[in-house]
Amino acid sequence: AQSVTQLDSQVPVFEEAPVELRCNYSSSVSVYLFWYVQYPNQGLQLLLKYLSGSTLVKGINGFEAEFNKSQTSFHLRKPSVHISDTAEYFCAVSTYNQGGKLIFGQGTELSVKP
Amino acid sequence: DVKVTQSSRYLVKRTGEKVFLECVQDMDHENMFWYRQDPGLGLRLIYFSYDVKMKEKGDIPEGYSVSREKKERFSLILESASTNQTSMYLCASSLPSIGRGNYGYTFGSGTRLTVV
Repeated sequence: AQSVTQLDSQVPVFEEAPVELRCNYSSSVSVYLFWYVQYPNQGLQLLLKYLSGSTLVKGINGFEAEFNKSQTSFHLRKPSVHISDTAEYFCAVSTYNQGGKLIFGQGTELSVKP
Repeated sequence: DVKVTQSSRYLVKRTGEKVFLECVQDMDHENMFWYRQDPGLGLRLIYFSYDVKMKEKGDIPEGYSVSREKKERFSLILESASTNQTSMYLCASSLPSIGRGNYGYTFGSGTRLTVV
């Protein structure tokens, strides 16, 4: 079975600083990986996804993530955050034999302070 | 703009009531999912469906049932609401996972249910 661990439940950071949100997964087969963002009182929105190919994936709002198979990680990064990036971020994993189901991590609250 | 619509943003129900949460998508997606979201626990899968009249249990189906009579509509039913079912409920839909690809989900805005 697959699982996802987000290593930080809360990440406070100052505006214009870089940020990394960490995600590790466990799977015995090849994986598809996703990052979603949830703004207050809203549903989840897809930031980026890794299916195959280049291990560096670029998403919306200046975010990017790198798939590291040896480390079983898919960390999310942004070189300079804005107040508007304050939200909860979820990492998710799926595999070819999961029928499209996603397994989500516990979430990381990113708080950007002025 | 394609979307997933959940009929209520906020609901307050009494213990023991039968509760219906409705979800409609306009993207002709085959797959539909119901999750509940609780602080510190992330999203947990309740039920999902790959086609009309099909349903499968997720990780936490106890106390819930679902109905999918039409492709675009997936309803979550709390047979007898309890206070431990107070939560945010999220509906999502997706295309089928074809070959080795996965398109990811489109989510609704969520229904925050309080059971008193």
